[in-house]
Amino acid sequence: DQQVKQNSPSLSVQEGRISILNCDYTNSMFDYFLWYKKYPAEGPTFLISISSIKDKNEDGRFTVFLNKSAKHLSLHIVPSQPGDSAVYFCAASRSQGNLIFGKGTKLSVKP
Amino acid sequence: DAGVIQSPRHEVTEMGQEVTLRCKPISGHNSLFWYRQTMMRGLELLIYFNNNVPIDDSGMPEDRFSAKMPNASFSTLKIQPSEPRDSAVYFCASTFDRVGGYTFGSGTRLTVV
Repeated sequence: DQQVKQNSPSLSVQEGRISILNCDYTNSMFDYFLWYKKYPAEGPTFLISISSIKDKNEDGRFTVFLNKSAKHLSLHIVPSQPGDSAVYFCAASRSQGNLIFGKGTKLSVKP
Repeated sequence: DAGVIQSPRHEVTEMGQEVTLRCKPISGHNSLFWYRQTMMRGLELLIYFNNNVPIDDSGMPEDRFSAKMPNASFSTLKIQPSEPRDSAVYFCASTFDRVGGYTFGSGTRLTVV
């Protein structure tokens, strides 16, 4: 049973527009959430995180929103750039436990 | 720091052969993880070590898989005998006290024919 779900395998966005990547989780005990970005032939790299005590965390063009009641988080990229084209993984953990990853969403940003 | 180093980058082997994947974590990190990435299952945790001790190997698919961490700077993941369904990208990651994000290596792409 998947505890972290990314229901959209792919997303295509025009350069300059907003990219919104979504993630749902089932375990209400998760208290730490992260987004990773992965380019082909490379390992995932940490992008941004959020603790369950917050509902928003912002870092430059990247903002993560957490809706605990809906068990949903999203990553917003504004404005999107062609270099943002990659696979984005959502991950969650509880009490400094291991990270559980979703299957990823492939983002394509078209010039 | 050179980051998490994995070798080899690519491995092609015949079914039934033994395969050994290697990982050097970031110096000072005390937790090491082995993940497997497939299209069907995404990133799955196989096993993790804390202070060189295996803590949870419940993700190891079968007895054909084994992992060791003889010291703080080296870990291996072995598959014996290998099967075509083991074909995947295997990632090693490390962190300090499992706080914050993990640092991943570039992965080993394994193809078993």
